[in-house]
Amino acid sequence: DAKTTQPPSMDCAEGRAANLPCNHSTISGNEYVYWYRQIHSQGPQYIIHGLKNNETNEMASLIITEDRKSSTLILPHATLRDTAVYYCIVRVAQRTVLTFGGGTRLMVKP
Amino acid sequence: DAMVIQNPRYQVTQFGKPVTLSCSQTLNHNVMYWYQQKSSQAPKLLFHYYDKDFNNEADTPDNFQSRRPNTSFCFLDIRSPGLGDAAMYLCATSGAGGLTKNIQYFGAGTRLSVL
Repeated sequence: DAKTTQPPSMDCAEGRAANLPCNHSTISGNEYVYWYRQIHSQGPQYIIHGLKNNETNEMASLIITEDRKSSTLILPHATLRDTAVYYCIVRVAQRTVLTFGGGTRLMVKP
Repeated sequence: DAMVIQNPRYQVTQFGKPVTLSCSQTLNHNVMYWYQQKSSQAPKLLFHYYDKDFNNEADTPDNFQSRRPNTSFCFLDIRSPGLGDAAMYLCATSGAGGLTKNIQYFGAGTRLSVL
């Protein structure tokens, strides 16, 4: 699976959009981008995934660049409950396992 | 409605005393995973079951074993816990069909302390 690079931490004001970047410059054509988050003292939670098109669900939007070498997770209106570590993971669709990298610690502030 | 349930949430054991952590699921998923997460680190996969097929990660110590008696339950056995095994242990499940098979559902974890 391709390696990902994320900033270790970010701050965001409550009510504003949180934009979390992820670099995956070695991504292969059959690898998907997955995002999970982990709120303190809880298990990770799936957020969204995509291959090359932008994706949106009730939690977030995923923007993948045309060359697929980077992506951005967008939380449109961050709340204090969105404070968590966000993990960007790249993997082949057929593979069962996830390999977690360092993640970004997002702090949403009032 | 908890779908992946881990018991207990907190477990204290003594150095060298065997301990078992349990995980159950109501999702009827084929795959069950065990992760170890030490403080301020990312979760690290120990092993997983695809149905009854056990898949061990290459760097998982022999001290860690697992059992899956049926689809719903999976156990993590630590035969002789050391101080370095103090961590959060996370159980997860995923289905086996299509792209959604790669979405893992995690339990809340069991925090293990070793005295």
